[in-house]
Amino acid sequence: GENVEQHPSTLSVQEGDSAVIKCTYSDSASNYFPWYKQELGKRPQLIIDIRSNVGEKKDQRIAVTLNKTAKHFSLHITETQPEDSAVYFCAASDLYNFNKFYFGSGTKLNVKP
Amino acid sequence: EPEVTQTPSHQVTQMGQEVILRCVPISNHLYFYWYRQILGQKVEFLVSFYNNEISEKSEIFDDQFSVERPDGSNFTLKIRSTKLEDSAMYFCASSVDGSGPGELFFGEGSRLTVL
Repeated sequence: GENVEQHPSTLSVQEGDSAVIKCTYSDSASNYFPWYKQELGKRPQLIIDIRSNVGEKKDQRIAVTLNKTAKHFSLHITETQPEDSAVYFCAASDLYNFNKFYFGSGTKLNVKP
Repeated sequence: EPEVTQTPSHQVTQMGQEVILRCVPISNHLYFYWYRQILGQKVEFLVSFYNNEISEKSEIFDDQFSVERPDGSNFTLKIRSTKLEDSAMYFCASSVDGSGPGELFFGEGSRLTVL
């Protein structure tokens, strides 16, 4: 089955700096890669996603890049703010496999004011 | 905005007891899921459910686990005889269309503590 690795496990940045979180996946059948943000004690919520026919997607301060050949994808957050502090999970899924998502182990992002 | 709702938010039980976790998925969604998150670890897939039957399950989802959609709105996860290692946050999720992929909408979670 799919194996998703995520790095780093913790990331501390100064407010205004950029943050990058990286994930790799193993199954070439995976073709959908969402990122979820989980604030302490809350549910995971989708913040951005990318499909395998696209190399990059941007939504305001967040962007995701995908390298299908290397099987890795990354989340980029620019101009970080304290409210960006949370745990971020990447995931990989096969569009044709009942939405079975394989999650990474999570990155705890701390944005220091 | 419609939400997935889960009850209870926290349940404490003795080892060996049966537990039922309840979920109300978003009303027009077709696919329902249970995920588990042991404290500090990744979110793990347990089971997916479509058209009133299990469509896929993980190795974690053994004979101690079962799911049911007893009526048109509820989706339940039953653990027959809880073990200490079942202590975790259990998330219910739903999506509109499994072939979409459709965004996964998570509930707030039910924290299960097995003593």
